[in-house]
Amino acid sequence: SYELTQPPSVSVSPGQTASITCSGDKLGDKYACWYQQKPGQSPVVVIYQDSKRPSGIPERFSGSNSGNTATLTISGTQAMDEADYYCQAWDSSAVVFGGGTKLTVL
Amino acid sequence: QLQLQESGPGLVKPSETLSLTCTVSGDSINSTSYYWGWIRQPPGKGLEWIGSIYYSGSTYYNPSLKSRVTISVDTSKKQFSLKLSSVTAADTAVYYCARLFGGGYGMDVWGQGTTVTVSS
Repeated sequence: SYELTQPPSVSVSPGQTASITCSGDKLGDKYACWYQQKPGQSPVVVIYQDSKRPSGIPERFSGSNSGNTATLTISGTQAMDEADYYCQAWDSSAVVFGGGTKLTVL
Repeated sequence: QLQLQESGPGLVKPSETLSLTCTVSGDSINSTSYYWGWIRQPPGKGLEWIGSIYYSGSTYYNPSLKSRVTISVDTSKKQFSLKLSSVTAADTAVYYCARLFGGGYGMDVWGQGTTVTVSS
């Protein structure tokens, strides 16, 4: 079965740029989405179709996807961005999530 | 505005069947544009897709759960449901329902989640 691999944790200082990667075989040939989940809350999609932002998501969130890696980039990271982030892709009609990355802003 | 609400027992005994329902409000369940899905999250762990259903009844399941999962839809009640049989403690999780677009759009609306504990 298809697998997506994320680093368990990423740390960033406030105001700096955070990058979270998601790796999978030929992931660049598929669409990737990213979800943000804060403690006790349901996930929220922050990036869809590799690089598009839903309405209401700040411009500091951006995404890319090429080769075997999709990347979520948060520019000018704020304390409110501290959360778990999950990548997601499709393998035929199956939905696949990455294991998640805990972003710490310190 | 679309809202999803999960409902069902919070406690299920081992070897029994977990049954949950997601009620759709604020939009049609019959749209040809999207699917309806179930996702779970064990305590302290990541998200796991359980399966999805189209309004017509076509289903797609996680291969690792396929033998135990049934997802169905009742368009007249604007509900879709999850049944997971032969549960064990490993099925203890928060269960979410969500609206899922294909074509890379992802899951744009989620329910608040419901906690299901498997214990005798």
